Amino acid sequence: SYELTQPPSVSVSPGQTARISCSGDALSKQYAYWYQQKPGQAPVMVIFKDRERPSEVPERFSGSNSGTTVTLTISGVQPEDEADYYCQSADSSGASVVFGGGTKLTVL
Amino acid sequence: QVQLVQSGAEVKKPGASVRVSCRASGYTFTNYYMHCVRQAPGRGLEWMGVIDPSGNKTNYAQKFQGRVTMTRDTSTSTVYMDLSSLRSDDTAVYYCARLPGLWGQGTLVTVSS
Repeated sequence: SYELTQPPSVSVSPGQTARISCSGDALSKQYAYWYQQKPGQAPVMVIFKDRERPSEVPERFSGSNSGTTVTLTISGVQPEDEADYYCQSADSSGASVVFGGGTKLTVL
Repeated sequence: QVQLVQSGAEVKKPGASVRVSCRASGYTFTNYYMHCVRQAPGRGLEWMGVIDPSGNKTNYAQKFQGRVTMTRDTSTSTVYMDLSSLRSDDTAVYYCARLPGLWGQGTLVTVSS
């Protein structure tokens, strides 16, 4: 079955830039979405359609797509950004949704 | 306001079935697909399936084929997710979601003898 691959963990110091990648063959055909999840809470979308940011999400969050890899970039990381981040897309047919395995962002 | 409200926590024995409900409000229920996503303790998000509330068409992840059924009641704007033949590794928080931007609060299902 189709899979999206993320690094299990990323660590950065406050104020630095964090980059979280997500790889999958169908990412050149299907949009990617990014979610932030804090302990005990439901996921919250931070990026949609590869690079669009909801108005309520801080500008330091951005997304990009380079074919079969999408990247979530957090510029000037804040302590409150420490969370799990998941990418989500669909298989090449668009019929089935798939999530990446998740990346734990640690702010040192 | 636009929201999804799910049913309360459940405790089930192995082999039993569970039903999780998800009531939508604040938008036209039949205009948006509804998904079911689960998360086992300490694990990642796992997509289970989707229903088109306008026509009742469904699509399930291969892993859950034969065990999961999603239905809807348009009169109450409610989606139901039934999972049968429960095992201990079905213990998880189950979310309904109008992907990508609207999620329910989650329903904890515990499977234990």
